[in-house]
Amino acid sequence: RKEVEQDPGPFNVPEGATVAFNCTYSNSASQSFFWYRQDCRKEPKLLMSVYSSGNEDGRFTAQLNRASQYISLLIRDSKLSDSATYLCVVRREDNDMRFGAGTRLTVKP
Amino acid sequence: EAQVTQNPRYLITVTGKKLTVTCSQNMNHEYMSWYRQDPGLGLRQIYYSMNVEVTDKGDVPEGYKVSRKEKRNFPLILESPSPNQTSLYFCASSPWGPGGEQFFGPGTRLTVL
Repeated sequence: RKEVEQDPGPFNVPEGATVAFNCTYSNSASQSFFWYRQDCRKEPKLLMSVYSSGNEDGRFTAQLNRASQYISLLIRDSKLSDSATYLCVVRREDNDMRFGAGTRLTVKP
Repeated sequence: EAQVTQNPRYLITVTGKKLTVTCSQNMNHEYMSWYRQDPGLGLRQIYYSMNVEVTDKGDVPEGYKVSRKEKRNFPLILESPSPNQTSLYFCASSPWGPGGEQFFGPGTRLTVL
């Protein structure tokens, strides 16, 4: 079992839809949590860090549930430009980084 | 322009022929890291460096070496490449260590025949 698990998708949604991605991690001592975005054949880029209290950045909301070892990303009012693969990333207590395999999103007109 | 550069971007080589993939950043970041990305497996960390002369193994270090003699450079060395090292490789750096945003290079696509 992978240390960070994501639903691979693909998620195909119409413009304007709300879509939610989930991620679970197995190492309870993990320290930091992130969502990265990766466009096809490109490098990953930070979308947002995930804080215990939950955080929002425009149309994007991230939540962390340490007790359930669960991270989520909610995208509201999806745009065509949101089409990408979304990577869940966890920093362990030993500073090693663990990435999920990614969830692919396609937003259609 | 602030960036992470990798060279080469594409490389086809043969089993056993030593190669080096260079990584350089011009942002004065202390933390640098190497990853490989394979379909269905996502990115896996190979090695990372918290600062000059300090390197640590990540999740999949076997078959790789790194060095960090200067802050800006973090080369990845494959002493004897094998076909299972065919992959897309990314270098990344961060000013705040692994707990902060990492800035990735454009990637190096390596094929080992």
